[in-house]
Amino acid sequence: DAGVIQSPRHEVTEMGQEVTLRCKPISGHNSLFWYRQTMMRGLELLIYFNNNVPIDDSGMPEDRFSAKMPNASFSTLKIQPSEPRDSAVYFCASNFGGSDTQYFGPGTRLTVL
Amino acid sequence: KQEVTQIPAALSVPEGENLVLNCSFTDSAIYNLQWFRQDPGKGLTSLLLIQSSQREQTSGRLNASLDKSSGRSTLYIAASQPGDSATYLCAFPRSSASKIIFGSGTRLSIRP
Repeated sequence: DAGVIQSPRHEVTEMGQEVTLRCKPISGHNSLFWYRQTMMRGLELLIYFNNNVPIDDSGMPEDRFSAKMPNASFSTLKIQPSEPRDSAVYFCASNFGGSDTQYFGPGTRLTVL
Repeated sequence: KQEVTQIPAALSVPEGENLVLNCSFTDSAIYNLQWFRQDPGKGLTSLLLIQSSQREQTSGRLNASLDKSSGRSTLYIAASQPGDSATYLCAFPRSSASKIIFGSGTRLSIRP
């Protein structure tokens, strides 16, 4: 299995631009998680989906952030407009069952100038 | 509110030593507990998962224990190697449907 796939691996953009991060979970997994990791705040759960439905989005920082999961094999995390404080590494993870072992993607390092 | 503490924040030991990493939590109502490893610039890799009804899990040189009554979990690494250098995080959900809470991690460095 290829594992969780994220793209792009690195993204540098200017403040105010729209950013879209992509994730392909492991085939057969029915839960997908988006995390953000910074030095200051550590690893934070932004949102998680179960069977393509958002279950808990309480970690989404503000309305500039949105996430979708149109099918079982694809999810996006969009930031519009982006701000410098959004700079972080964004991880996607998946599993079968919300609390089972999670498998993480390699992350997307986002830099907003 | 569940709080998770990992002590120490950083640890440096010579190769070959046995070591213990600690994870403390304030609410004993956890569903399971997981230990992850994160290498610099990489994602997280799951090491061990202990179900709420279990007390420990072993994988190779790693042994994780869980004591819900005291709110503690430990990760024991035997005969440490330079390749064990990484950040180790504990994490757990309160129920099967709740989100997972991560500790801040212990940054481990094994000196050759």
